Amino acid sequence: EAGVAQSPRYKIIEKRQSVAFWCNPISGHATLYWYQQILGQGPKLLIQFQNNGVVDDSQLPKDRFSAERLKGVDSTLKIQPAKLEDSAVYLCASKNPGQETDTQYFGPGTRLTVL
Amino acid sequence: AQKVTQAQTEISVVEKEDVTLDCVYETRDTTYYLFWYKQPPSGELVFLIRRNSFDEQNEISGRYSWNFQKSTSSFNFTITASQVVDSAVYFCALSEARNFNKFYFGSGTKLNVKP
Repeated sequence: EAGVAQSPRYKIIEKRQSVAFWCNPISGHATLYWYQQILGQGPKLLIQFQNNGVVDDSQLPKDRFSAERLKGVDSTLKIQPAKLEDSAVYLCASKNPGQETDTQYFGPGTRLTVL
Repeated sequence: AQKVTQAQTEISVVEKEDVTLDCVYETRDTTYYLFWYKQPPSGELVFLIRRNSFDEQNEISGRYSWNFQKSTSSFNFTITASQVVDSAVYFCALSEARNFNKFYFGSGTKLNVKP
């Protein structure tokens, strides 16, 4: 079974530029998550999708961050414009929402550096 | 309030030593799940174990063991005879029955195993 795929793995941009990250979850996993992990901290949930609907985006800085999952499969997270404090690893995870005992499976992450 | 607390920010041990990583959680739900993840330098969070709140049996998997104690709201992780490959950041996480698709992560414990 293929895992969660993310691209790119690394991205370096200057502040005020835009950037987009892509995630393809495990096949059949209707729930998809985007997390932001700042160095030395635990993952912080940015947004959770169930199929193509948003379940929780309470911690997403909506003035600059946006995310979509149009067909309920892969997802894109965008930052526009980026700030220095956005430097972090962006992790995508997926889960089978119908399985109470199931875990979240994570992709390798995208390491963003904003200069 | 933090739902998951990992008080140990960083631990250093010498190879072959035993080491215990602490995790304390907080929830009002009677049904919940606890998880441990490993994050090696490559960045991907790797699932290690899941326990539900009704199963307080300790679990052993090779050199890894977990001690779940509801009385102290703790779910500690012990690595026996540590190896250099165990060097990573370890995260404890909680999901609650009211929304088991949402995970609360601790801030992580960085384990350094020196040869």
